[in-house]
Amino acid sequence: AQKITQTQPGMFVQEKEAVTLDCTYDTSDQSYGLFWYKQPSSGEMIFLIYQGSYDEQNATEGRYSLNFQKARKSANLVISASQLGDSAMYFCAMREGTMNSGYSTLTFGKGTMLLVSP
Amino acid sequence: SQTIHQWPATLVQPVGSPLSLECTVEGTSNPNLYWYRQAAGRGLQLLFYSVGIGQISSEVPQNLSASRPQDRQFILSSKKLLLSDSGFYLCAWSRGAGGYTFGSGTRLTVV
Repeated sequence: AQKITQTQPGMFVQEKEAVTLDCTYDTSDQSYGLFWYKQPSSGEMIFLIYQGSYDEQNATEGRYSLNFQKARKSANLVISASQLGDSAMYFCAMREGTMNSGYSTLTFGKGTMLLVSP
Repeated sequence: SQTIHQWPATLVQPVGSPLSLECTVEGTSNPNLYWYRQAAGRGLQLLFYSVGIGQISSEVPQNLSASRPQDRQFILSSKKLLLSDSGFYLCAWSRGAGGYTFGSGTRLTVV
């Protein structure tokens, strides 16, 4: 079974509108972390936002917020006021295990291509 | 501040030729280091990770190997490339169990 599922291969949004990119995850760990990365056409992976499994509040970073629903095992990324520069591939990723393990291996979803139109 | 360097940016190699991709991190010590591969239109697949000099863990058995000769240097190698080795290779580092910082990637085409 996939650990990270992103069901939207592609999404379209008009500039200045909000968009939600879906991510569901599968883990039996109590302690885990969820990440979102942006990959523009240049290929670099840009960290956007992080949510820990014990965090009670949804993470926010500027125009990015993470809609964390633990019982449903979903961690959707919400981008408010979309900009043309937001057009990119977006990846959801999960770190399993405790912070005391000394390292983390991230499992990535297959990504969602977001296109922002004027 | 910490930076991660990865080179070359692009590489075209014939089938059967050797490969060496290098990644170095600056501004931190004892980082965890990772090699990921991204096939066209797909997500990232973890290939190797290292928590210290000479310590390499392989996630997927294949035609590639990794080495960590120095604390902040991580090398991805192959003795004989296959067509299926084509892809976008990303190096990353992390501190403890935190999130990753990625390098700019190497686009490898095996012809």
